[in-house]
Amino acid sequence: AQSVAQPEDQVNVAEGNPLTVKCTYSVSGNPYLFWYVQYPNRGLQFLLKYITGDNLVKGSYGFEAEFNKSQTSFHLKKPSALVSDSALYFCAVRDFGRKGAGGTSYGKLTFGQGTILTVHP
Amino acid sequence: DAGVIQSPRHEVTEMGQEVTLRCKPISGHDYLFWYRQTMMRGLELLIYFNNNVPIDDSGMPEDRFSAKMPNASFSTLKIQPSEPRDSAVYFCASNENRGSPLHFGNGTRLTVT
Repeated sequence: AQSVAQPEDQVNVAEGNPLTVKCTYSVSGNPYLFWYVQYPNRGLQFLLKYITGDNLVKGSYGFEAEFNKSQTSFHLKKPSALVSDSALYFCAVRDFGRKGAGGTSYGKLTFGQGTILTVHP
Repeated sequence: DAGVIQSPRHEVTEMGQEVTLRCKPISGHDYLFWYRQTMMRGLELLIYFNNNVPIDDSGMPEDRFSAKMPNASFSTLKIQPSEPRDSAVYFCASNENRGSPLHFGNGTRLTVT
């Protein structure tokens, strides 16, 4: 079974400083990895994804993430944090190693528990 | 595109009543997902459809929950009878194919008293 872990419930950084939100995953096949952000009273919004290719992925609002296969990690980063980045961040994984056998996890996206990012002025 | 549309935004009901949540996915998207979000359990996948066919309903809590997708532009999640522990925010999401990101609606906040 696939799983995602976000080891930090909360991350606090000062505006202008770099930020990192951690994510590790476990899948049986090749992972498709995603980061989403959620603002209060809204649905999740897509930030970036890794499917294949360059391990450093760039996404929306200046965010980027680095895929590390040996450490099974996909940490979200931003060189200079903004107060407006404060939100709830979710890492997610989709396993495409098995193609439809039994249909039980075909296309299923599993989310981590989320990390609250607070950027202080 | 208007995005994924969910209704109602808020629902308050009494225990034992039937609740129906509605979702209109983005046109052309082949996958539709229902998630539930609570403080205690985070985001839980309840069920998902591919081309209107339910693929995995292993996350549906119990028989009180049911979901349908009668056509490509409409899905419902029904709870009958509702219980206070069903109180949560329910999200619908859709995407084009397995590799594309999910587009979420703004959710339905359900309160069962």
